[in-house]
Amino acid sequence: AQSVTQLDSHVSVSEGTPVLLRCNYSSSYSPSLFWYVQHPNKGLQLLLKYTSAATLVKGINGFEAEFKKSETSFHLTKPSAHMSDAAEYFCVVSSSYRDDKIIFGKGTRLHILP
Amino acid sequence: DAGVIQSPRHEVTEMGQEVTLRCKPISGHNSLFWYRQTMMRGLELLIYFNNNVPIDDSGMPEDRFSAKMPNASFSTLKIQPSEPRDSAVYFCASSSGGAGEQYFGPGTRLTVT
Repeated sequence: AQSVTQLDSHVSVSEGTPVLLRCNYSSSYSPSLFWYVQHPNKGLQLLLKYTSAATLVKGINGFEAEFKKSETSFHLTKPSAHMSDAAEYFCVVSSSYRDDKIIFGKGTRLHILP
Repeated sequence: DAGVIQSPRHEVTEMGQEVTLRCKPISGHNSLFWYRQTMMRGLELLIYFNNNVPIDDSGMPEDRFSAKMPNASFSTLKIQPSEPRDSAVYFCASSSGGAGEQYFGPGTRLTVT
């Protein structure tokens, strides 16, 4: 069985400060993990993905995430927030085993304060 | 590449009417997904197809909802009869590299009055 938990429904940071969006997962098999971003009135866009290669994954727009198996976490970070980062972020887990079911987290809304 | 194409972008209809949403996946992608997003329930996977075959429709809310994929380049999601609680944004997504790496369309905003 698989599940994903985004620990914060809302996060607020000031422009220019670091961003941390937290995600924990559980999976019976080796998981693939993803972060998606959704800007207002838009579809979701893939930010980055982990598929059992390097544990530190770099994505678009300066975001990165680190896969930590011992902590079952896949937190999303960015060193310096920009106003354009204000959006909703979804952590996603899937497994390549058998039916490749995909589970979306409930989302974290990131607010950027000027 | 044009990306995933959805039509219409906006649909307003009256309760009881039939609604058909359309999706054209990215060429060469073999998986297609339909989602519904609302403020109350968030993002819900309704159904997904692999090679035009429905694999998991456990998210389809009830018999009023049906989805088809007659060929690799077209899918429909139909609601008959529609109800006000069906008001939501419906997204279509496609994938070629497994279920996790999906490309989303812009969505169809459905309002049922």
